[in-house]
Amino acid sequence: DQQVKQNSPSLSVQEGRISILNCDYTNSMFDYFLWYKKYPAEGPTFLISISSIKDKNEDGRFTVFLNKSAKHLSLHIVPSQPGDSAVYFCAASGPSGAGSYQLTFGKGTKLSVIP
Amino acid sequence: DAGVIQSPRHEVTEMGQEVTLRCKPISGHNSLFWYRQTMMRGLELLIYFNNNVPIDDSGMPEDRFSAKMPNASFSTLKIQPSEPRDSAVYFCASTRTGGSYEQYFGPGTRLTVT
Repeated sequence: DQQVKQNSPSLSVQEGRISILNCDYTNSMFDYFLWYKKYPAEGPTFLISISSIKDKNEDGRFTVFLNKSAKHLSLHIVPSQPGDSAVYFCAASGPSGAGSYQLTFGKGTKLSVIP
Repeated sequence: DAGVIQSPRHEVTEMGQEVTLRCKPISGHNSLFWYRQTMMRGLELLIYFNNNVPIDDSGMPEDRFSAKMPNASFSTLKIQPSEPRDSAVYFCASTRTGGSYEQYFGPGTRLTVT
C-alpha cells in the first residue's frame, strides 16, 4: 500500500519552461513533506521542504505547493535548466512530535529538460 | 565537511555468500537509516537507528538481513546468505533529531548477487 504516490514516472520539458512534478499522499498523519533530487550513481540530495502549516515554500527557482485537503503537493521549477534533469522523489514524514524521523518516499519522477 | 560515507560502492557476489555493507554517518548526526532502492519497490526503509539503538526494523525483508550500529560513527548492514533478489542499490542516510526531517544520503552501494 503506497502512502506516497508519484503517478508520472517521467516528464520532459523544454529548457526555460516550467516543470511541474506532482505527488499525492494517503496518510493524513503526514505533516512534513520534502523533495529530493537524484542524479545517476549518486545518493538523493535534499531540495526543498514544506510543513503542513504552510501551503507554499519558495527557494530560488524551486517552489513547493501543498494542498492538504486534496492530500497533494507539487514542485514547480521555473525556469527549467538542463542541469535539472534528474529523478525527483517526494517524501513525507509525521506526525511531528511523535519522535519518528522516518521518511516515506514516492517512486520518483524522471525529469528531462531538453535544451 | 564529509558527507555520509558508504563502502563498498559496488559489490558483486555469488548467491549464498555473506555481504557486509558499511556506513559512516555525518559527525554529530544521531539517527541513521538504511534504505534499499529497486525498480519495482522504489526507495524503501529497511531499518533506522536513533542514538545507536535500532528503533524500527519492520522494513527488514527477512532474517537473512541484519544491521548493527556499534557506535555513533559506524553501521553495518549484513546479508547472509545473499540471494539474486537482493540485488539493488543500498543507501545509508543520517540526520540530527530535534532539527528538520531532512536526511543526508550517502552515494549508495550497488549490490549484484549472481
